[in-house]
Amino acid sequence: GIQVEQSPPDLILQEGANSTLRCNFSDSVNNLQWFHQNPWGQLINLFYIPSGTKQNGRLSATTVATERYSLLYISSSQTTDSGVYFCAVKEGNDMRFGAGTRLTVKP
Amino acid sequence: DTGVSQDPRHKITKRGQNVTFRCDPISEHNRLYWYRQTLGQGPEFLTYFQNEAQLEKSRLLSDRFSAERPKGSFSTLEIQRTEQGDSAMYLCASSLGGSGGHYNEQFFGPGTRLTVL
Repeated sequence: GIQVEQSPPDLILQEGANSTLRCNFSDSVNNLQWFHQNPWGQLINLFYIPSGTKQNGRLSATTVATERYSLLYISSSQTTDSGVYFCAVKEGNDMRFGAGTRLTVKP
Repeated sequence: DTGVSQDPRHKITKRGQNVTFRCDPISEHNRLYWYRQTLGQGPEFLTYFQNEAQLEKSRLLSDRFSAERPKGSFSTLEIQRTEQGDSAMYLCASSLGGSGGHYNEQFFGPGTRLTVL
């Protein structure tokens, strides 16, 4: 099956800093999503981005499907951005998740 | 659009007991998915329904796990003879279904956290 690797596994930032999270996948995909899992476990949809670039406020994402990676950019980070960020790709009927990047934003 | 809901949010049970979890998808979504998430890992796919048909169940973890979606609306996930290793977060997701585009975007519920003592 498709392998999904996320980096870095852990990231600690000072409030206001920018960051880039990476997701590599081992085969071509036609469905890729980024999620933020809050401290209560809720997975919040950030982007549905099988290809191209999207922006939503301080967050943006780029997927280069031909090179099998996606990037999530967080600008001017806030403490509420803390949590785990997951990349997931669709393979057949299921979504394959990476192990996540745990982001901690310190005030 | 009230989002995906799950019940209960937390369940504590003793080893050997049966448990059942419920998921209510977004109302117009015809696809429903169950996942399990253990500590420090990403969610792991278990099974998938399109309307009332269970189209993928080979990833259910053992024959103690079963799922139903009898009328194509809500779904239940049952674990029989629970074991301590079943302790995890059980997540439900739904999507519109159809070919391509945002029809495949999955939206997740808040999860049911199971603790087996």
